[in-house]
Amino acid sequence: GAVVSQHPSRVICKSGTSVKIECRSLDFQATTMFWYRQFPKQSLMLMATSNEGSKATYEQGVEKDKFLINHASLTLSTLTVTSAHPEDSSFYICSAREWGSFNQPQHFGDGTRLSIL
Amino acid sequence: AQKVTQAQTEISVVEKEDVTLDCVYETRDTTYYLFWYKQPPSGELVFLIRRNSFDEQNEISGRYSWNFQKSTSSFNFTITASQVVDSAVYFCALSVNTGKLIFGQGTTLQVKP
Repeated sequence: GAVVSQHPSRVICKSGTSVKIECRSLDFQATTMFWYRQFPKQSLMLMATSNEGSKATYEQGVEKDKFLINHASLTLSTLTVTSAHPEDSSFYICSAREWGSFNQPQHFGDGTRLSIL
Repeated sequence: AQKVTQAQTEISVVEKEDVTLDCVYETRDTTYYLFWYKQPPSGELVFLIRRNSFDEQNEISGRYSWNFQKSTSSFNFTITASQVVDSAVYFCALSVNTGKLIFGQGTTLQVKP
């Protein structure tokens, strides 16, 4: 099956640090990748949609300068949380979709638990 | 507007009981896809099933079965003879032509030994 690798799985860092999270599709080419944020006991909140070779599309209320997304290849997307603060602490999950469109399932990474002290 | 409702926030059953997780969706699109995902305590989301709006055939996969009824806009998920390893949060999701997944709030299933 389609495998998505997300790294790191856990980050603990000081306030003001920038943190980069990688999302890789290991055995398929992902034309579209998605970044979600999940608070405890809540559903997934879509932050942005990223298409290979173009700028990411951010959801309303998500600061694009705060959450930098790069999708430079068909197998790699990165999310950088710039100058992270305690309120950015959360569980971040990426997903990747193979060729096709909304009929294809999204395959999810294992998530990254970000804790800002 | 599109919306997915999972009215059951938490369900607790004893091992070997059958359990049904409800999912009701709203969309005006005629072409759409429905998904179920499982999120165990470790956090990753595991894809379970996809169903398109033109296929109302029910599906069974081992102990899992899904009942799709367009007339009631429901896509319910049943686990037969539940096991402790089934304990997780289960999400129902809807995909329309925007390409985005609209998730329900999730149902936490606890299976006790």
